[in-house]
Amino acid sequence: QLQLQESGPGLVKPSETLSLTCTVSGGSISSSSYYWGWIRQPPGKGLEWIGSIYYSGSTYYNPSLKSRVTISVDTSKNQFSLKLSSVTAADTAVYYCARQDKAYYYGMDVWGQGTTVTVSS
Amino acid sequence: SYVLTQPPSVSVAPGKTARITCGGNNIGSKSVHWYQQKPGQAPVLVVYDDSDRPSGIPERFSGSNSGNTATLTISRVEAGDEADYYCQVWDSSSDRVVFGGGTKLTVL
Repeated sequence: QLQLQESGPGLVKPSETLSLTCTVSGGSISSSSYYWGWIRQPPGKGLEWIGSIYYSGSTYYNPSLKSRVTISVDTSKNQFSLKLSSVTAADTAVYYCARQDKAYYYGMDVWGQGTTVTVSS
Repeated sequence: SYVLTQPPSVSVAPGKTARITCGGNNIGSKSVHWYQQKPGQAPVLVVYDDSDRPSGIPERFSGSNSGNTATLTISRVEAGDEADYYCQVWDSSSDRVVFGGGTKLTVL
C-alpha cells in the first residue's frame, strides 16, 4: 500500500528557506502515471496547492508562489522535496504531499499525514 | 485565473441528503474531484472525475457536474460525515490545480 511521509523542520525563522521532503513507500515515484504534489493549509483556512512534479523533473507551480518555490525529485531515494524561500508568518501552515493521478486530471488519491511548519523568530 | 466557489456551510439532519455545490465558469467541461477532511486529519478523496468513487468510499457519496455547477451528494447522512469538503479541478488553461474554498458540513 502506497504511503507518503513528510519530514523537515517544524520551525523556520522569517526570511529563511523552508525545506521539506516527502518520502514515498510501497510504490515507485518513477511511475509514468502520476505527478507528485505539495499542498498547504494555514491554520483555520482552506487548502492551497503549491506545486507538482513528475519523475522526469517536469514541474507546475502556483503562480502566486512561483517566485519563491522550488520542487525537486530524487528518484534514487523515492523522494521529492519542497523549498520555499523568504518565508513570513503567512507561510505558517500544515504542509501535505500527495500523489496526483494523470489519468484523472491530477486528482489526489493518496496523501501524507501532513507536517506543521511555523514561521517565527 | 479560474475560481471555484463553495458555500461556507451546509447543515443537514441525520438520515437526510446533503448537497454541496462547487461553482465555476463552465465547470461542466472539467473533471471535478471532491475531498473530505475531518479535524486534524489529511484530506481524503471521496469522488474523482465528477462521479467516480475510490475503493472504500461508501455508495452514499456521489457526484455530478454540468454547466457551471458541480455537486457532491451525500445520501443518508451520518454523524461521521461531519467534516470540511473541498472541490478541486485542474485548470488546463493555466496549468494549475485549483481548490474551492471548502464547505463545512454540520450534521444536526
